[in-house]
Amino acid sequence: QQPVQSPQAVILREGEDAVINCSSSKALYSVHWYRQKHGEAPVFLMILLKGGEQKGHEKISASFNEKKQQSSLYLTASQLSYSGTYFCGTEIEGYQKVTFGTGTKLQVIP
Amino acid sequence: GAVVSQHPSRVICKSGTSVKIECRSLDFQATTMFWYRQFPKQSLMLMATSNEGSKATYEQGVEKDKFLINHASLTLSTLTVTSAHPEDSSFYICSARVPVSGNTIYFGEGSWLTVV
Repeated sequence: QQPVQSPQAVILREGEDAVINCSSSKALYSVHWYRQKHGEAPVFLMILLKGGEQKGHEKISASFNEKKQQSSLYLTASQLSYSGTYFCGTEIEGYQKVTFGTGTKLQVIP
Repeated sequence: GAVVSQHPSRVICKSGTSVKIECRSLDFQATTMFWYRQFPKQSLMLMATSNEGSKATYEQGVEKDKFLINHASLTLSTLTVTSAHPEDSSFYICSARVPVSGNTIYFGEGSWLTVV
Protein backbone atom coordinates (compact mmCIF):
# COMPACT_ATOMS: atom_id res chain seq x y z
CA GLN A 1 0.00 0.00 0.00
CA GLN A 2 1.25 3.44 -0.92
CA PRO A 3 2.64 5.59 1.91
CA VAL A 4 0.65 8.75 2.57
CA GLN A 5 2.37 12.10 2.65
CA SER A 6 1.18 15.31 4.21
CA PRO A 7 0.68 18.04 3.38
CA GLN A 8 -0.17 17.54 -0.29
CA ALA A 9 1.14 20.97 -1.12
CA VAL A 10 2.75 23.88 0.66
CA ILE A 11 3.88 27.37 -0.29
CA LEU A 12 6.73 28.97 1.62
CA ARG A 13 8.48 32.27 1.50
CA GLU A 14 12.25 32.17 1.32
CA GLY A 15 13.71 31.57 4.75
CA GLU A 16 10.67 29.81 6.18
CA ASP A 17 10.68 26.26 7.47
CA ALA A 18 8.58 23.28 6.45
CA VAL A 19 7.92 19.74 7.58
CA ILE A 20 6.79 16.96 5.28
CA ASN A 21 5.42 13.79 6.77
CA CYS A 22 5.33 10.26 5.42
CA SER A 23 3.17 7.60 7.01
CA SER A 24 3.04 3.90 6.24
CA SER A 25 0.55 1.22 7.24
CA LYS A 26 3.31 -1.38 7.34
CA ALA A 27 6.42 -1.90 9.41
CA LEU A 28 9.37 -0.36 7.64
CA TYR A 29 13.00 -1.26 7.13
CA SER A 30 14.00 2.06 5.63
CA VAL A 31 12.71 5.35 4.32
CA HIS A 32 14.18 7.19 1.34
CA TRP A 33 13.57 10.84 0.51
CA TYR A 34 13.72 12.33 -2.99
CA ARG A 35 13.03 15.69 -4.59
CA GLN A 36 11.74 15.90 -8.14
CA LYS A 37 11.72 19.00 -10.32
CA HIS A 38 9.14 19.26 -13.06
CA GLY A 39 10.05 17.09 -16.04
CA GLU A 40 13.09 15.59 -14.36
CA ALA A 41 13.91 12.36 -12.57
CA PRO A 42 13.87 12.26 -8.75
CA VAL A 43 17.06 13.22 -6.98
CA PHE A 44 18.15 11.34 -3.89
CA LEU A 45 18.23 13.35 -0.65
CA MET A 46 18.78 10.81 2.08
CA ILE A 47 17.97 7.38 3.44
CA LEU A 48 17.09 6.41 6.98
CA LEU A 49 17.26 2.89 8.30
CA LYS A 50 15.12 1.48 11.09
CA GLY A 51 16.43 2.33 14.49
CA GLY A 52 14.92 5.77 14.83
CA GLU A 53 17.86 7.64 13.46
CA GLN A 54 17.88 11.19 12.30
CA LYS A 55 19.97 12.51 9.47
CA GLY A 56 20.91 15.91 8.24
CA HIS A 57 22.09 17.35 4.99
CA GLU A 58 22.86 21.07 5.23
CA LYS A 59 19.47 22.61 5.95
CA ILE A 60 17.51 19.49 5.16
CA SER A 61 17.16 16.77 7.75
CA ALA A 62 14.87 13.84 8.41
CA SER A 63 13.76 11.56 11.18
CA PHE A 64 12.37 8.05 11.18
CA ASN A 65 10.09 6.75 13.90
CA GLU A 66 10.08 3.02 13.40
CA LYS A 67 7.36 2.35 15.98
CA LYS A 68 4.97 4.82 14.40
CA GLN A 69 5.99 3.80 10.88
CA GLN A 70 6.49 7.44 10.09
CA SER A 71 9.19 9.66 8.74
CA SER A 72 9.45 13.43 8.57
CA LEU A 73 11.55 15.64 6.35
CA TYR A 74 12.56 19.01 7.77
CA LEU A 75 13.44 21.93 5.54
CA THR A 76 14.87 24.92 7.33
CA ALA A 77 15.50 28.41 6.02
CA SER A 78 14.08 27.40 2.68
CA GLN A 79 15.65 28.54 -0.56
CA LEU A 80 14.09 28.98 -3.99
CA SER A 81 15.97 25.89 -5.13
CA TYR A 82 13.99 23.77 -2.65
CA SER A 83 10.91 24.04 -4.85
CA GLY A 84 9.75 20.75 -6.28
CA THR A 85 7.80 17.68 -5.38
CA TYR A 86 9.09 15.62 -2.49
CA PHE A 87 8.55 11.89 -2.34
CA CYS A 88 9.25 9.44 0.40
CA GLY A 89 10.00 5.88 -0.58
CA THR A 90 9.60 2.99 1.82
CA GLU A 91 11.09 -0.46 2.06
CA ILE A 92 9.48 -3.20 4.07
CA GLU A 93 12.59 -5.32 3.95
CA GLY A 94 16.14 -4.44 3.12
CA TYR A 95 17.31 -4.42 -0.48
CA GLN A 96 13.82 -4.96 -1.76
CA LYS A 97 11.53 -2.76 -3.83
CA VAL A 98 10.80 0.80 -2.84
CA THR A 99 7.22 2.05 -2.83
CA PHE A 100 6.83 5.78 -3.25
CA GLY A 101 4.50 8.02 -1.31
CA THR A 102 1.76 10.27 -2.61
CA GLY A 103 4.11 13.25 -2.90
CA THR A 104 4.23 16.78 -1.50
CA LYS A 105 4.51 19.74 -3.81
CA LEU A 106 6.55 22.49 -2.25
CA GLN A 107 6.86 25.95 -3.71
CA VAL A 108 9.24 28.55 -2.34
CA ILE A 109 8.52 32.12 -3.35
CA PRO A 110 10.66 35.25 -2.90
CA GLY B 1 27.97 12.70 -12.19
CA ALA B 2 25.19 10.35 -13.17
CA VAL B 3 25.47 6.81 -11.91
CA VAL B 4 22.46 5.48 -13.81
CA SER B 5 21.95 6.44 -17.43
CA GLN B 6 18.75 6.08 -19.38
CA HIS B 7 18.16 6.38 -23.10
CA PRO B 8 16.35 7.81 -24.98
CA SER B 9 15.26 10.80 -22.96
CA ARG B 10 12.34 11.44 -25.29
CA VAL B 11 10.70 9.25 -27.88
CA ILE B 12 7.63 9.57 -30.04
CA CYS B 13 6.22 6.47 -31.66
CA LYS B 14 3.17 5.56 -33.67
CA SER B 15 0.35 3.60 -32.17
CA GLY B 16 0.89 -0.13 -32.61
CA THR B 17 4.67 0.00 -32.77
CA SER B 18 7.17 -1.01 -30.12
CA VAL B 19 9.75 1.12 -28.40
CA LYS B 20 12.76 0.13 -26.34
CA ILE B 21 14.17 2.09 -23.40
CA GLU B 22 17.63 1.33 -22.04
CA CYS B 23 18.88 1.70 -18.51
CA ARG B 24 22.59 1.41 -17.81
CA SER B 25 24.53 1.39 -14.59
CA LEU B 26 27.73 3.38 -14.88
CA ASP B 27 30.87 2.10 -13.21
CA PHE B 28 29.05 -0.46 -11.11
CA GLN B 29 27.23 -3.73 -11.54
CA ALA B 30 23.53 -3.79 -10.88
CA THR B 31 22.02 -7.21 -10.33
CA THR B 32 18.67 -5.57 -9.73
CA MET B 33 17.08 -2.60 -11.41
CA PHE B 34 13.63 -1.14 -10.98
CA TRP B 35 11.30 0.30 -13.59
CA TYR B 36 8.78 2.96 -12.66
CA ARG B 37 6.09 4.81 -14.56
CA GLN B 38 4.90 8.25 -13.68
CA PHE B 39 1.84 10.02 -15.06
CA PRO B 40 1.63 13.83 -14.85
CA LYS B 41 1.20 15.14 -11.32
CA GLN B 42 1.23 11.66 -9.88
CA SER B 43 3.66 9.57 -7.89
CA LEU B 44 6.08 6.99 -9.22
CA MET B 45 4.47 3.61 -9.61
CA LEU B 46 6.70 0.56 -9.62
CA MET B 47 6.14 -1.56 -12.70
CA ALA B 48 8.66 -4.32 -12.24
CA THR B 49 11.90 -5.43 -10.70
CA SER B 50 14.49 -6.42 -13.25
CA ASN B 51 16.80 -9.24 -12.21
CA GLU B 52 20.02 -10.00 -14.07
CA GLY B 53 19.93 -13.43 -15.65
CA SER B 54 16.37 -14.22 -14.65
CA LYS B 55 12.82 -13.17 -15.28
CA ALA B 56 11.59 -9.82 -14.10
CA THR B 57 9.13 -9.61 -11.25
CA TYR B 58 6.08 -7.60 -12.26
CA GLU B 59 3.79 -5.67 -9.97
CA GLN B 60 0.14 -6.51 -9.81
CA GLY B 61 -1.77 -5.09 -12.74
CA VAL B 62 1.26 -4.64 -15.02
CA GLU B 63 1.02 -6.62 -18.24
CA LYS B 64 4.21 -8.59 -18.63
CA ASP B 65 3.55 -9.30 -22.31
CA LYS B 66 3.16 -5.62 -23.02
CA PHE B 67 6.08 -4.34 -20.99
CA LEU B 68 8.96 -6.65 -21.78
CA ILE B 69 11.94 -6.37 -19.48
CA ASN B 70 15.32 -7.84 -20.26
CA HIS B 71 18.31 -7.70 -17.93
CA ALA B 72 20.91 -9.54 -19.96
CA SER B 73 24.00 -8.05 -18.37
CA LEU B 74 25.04 -6.58 -15.04
CA THR B 75 25.01 -3.07 -16.46
CA LEU B 76 22.01 -3.02 -18.78
CA SER B 77 18.29 -3.47 -18.39
CA THR B 78 15.82 -2.71 -21.16
CA LEU B 79 12.11 -2.02 -21.13
CA THR B 80 10.23 -2.61 -24.36
CA VAL B 81 6.73 -1.23 -24.67
CA THR B 82 5.07 -3.46 -27.25
CA SER B 83 2.11 -2.48 -29.41
CA ALA B 84 2.10 0.94 -27.84
CA HIS B 85 -1.13 2.90 -27.47
CA PRO B 86 -1.68 6.54 -26.55
CA GLU B 87 -2.55 5.56 -22.98
CA ASP B 88 1.00 4.20 -22.63
CA SER B 89 2.33 7.74 -22.99
CA SER B 90 4.12 8.48 -19.76
CA PHE B 91 7.43 9.17 -18.05
CA TYR B 92 9.34 5.94 -17.56
CA ILE B 93 12.19 5.89 -15.06
CA CYS B 94 14.65 3.21 -14.10
CA SER B 95 16.65 2.97 -10.92
CA ALA B 96 19.35 0.83 -9.39
CA ARG B 97 21.05 0.37 -6.07
CA VAL B 98 24.61 1.60 -5.97
CA PRO B 99 26.69 -0.86 -3.94
CA VAL B 100 29.33 1.58 -2.74
CA SER B 101 26.66 3.88 -1.31
CA GLY B 102 24.96 1.24 0.79
CA ASN B 103 21.24 1.02 0.30
CA THR B 104 20.90 4.14 -1.81
CA ILE B 105 18.83 3.95 -4.97
CA TYR B 106 19.66 6.27 -7.82
CA PHE B 107 17.43 7.07 -10.76
CA GLY B 108 18.18 7.39 -14.42
CA GLU B 109 17.26 10.59 -16.21
CA GLY B 110 13.89 9.22 -17.27
CA SER B 111 12.31 8.69 -20.68
CA TRP B 112 9.31 10.57 -21.96
CA LEU B 113 7.24 8.35 -24.21
CA THR B 114 4.58 9.86 -26.43
CA VAL B 115 2.45 7.52 -28.51
CA VAL B 116 0.60 9.18 -31.36
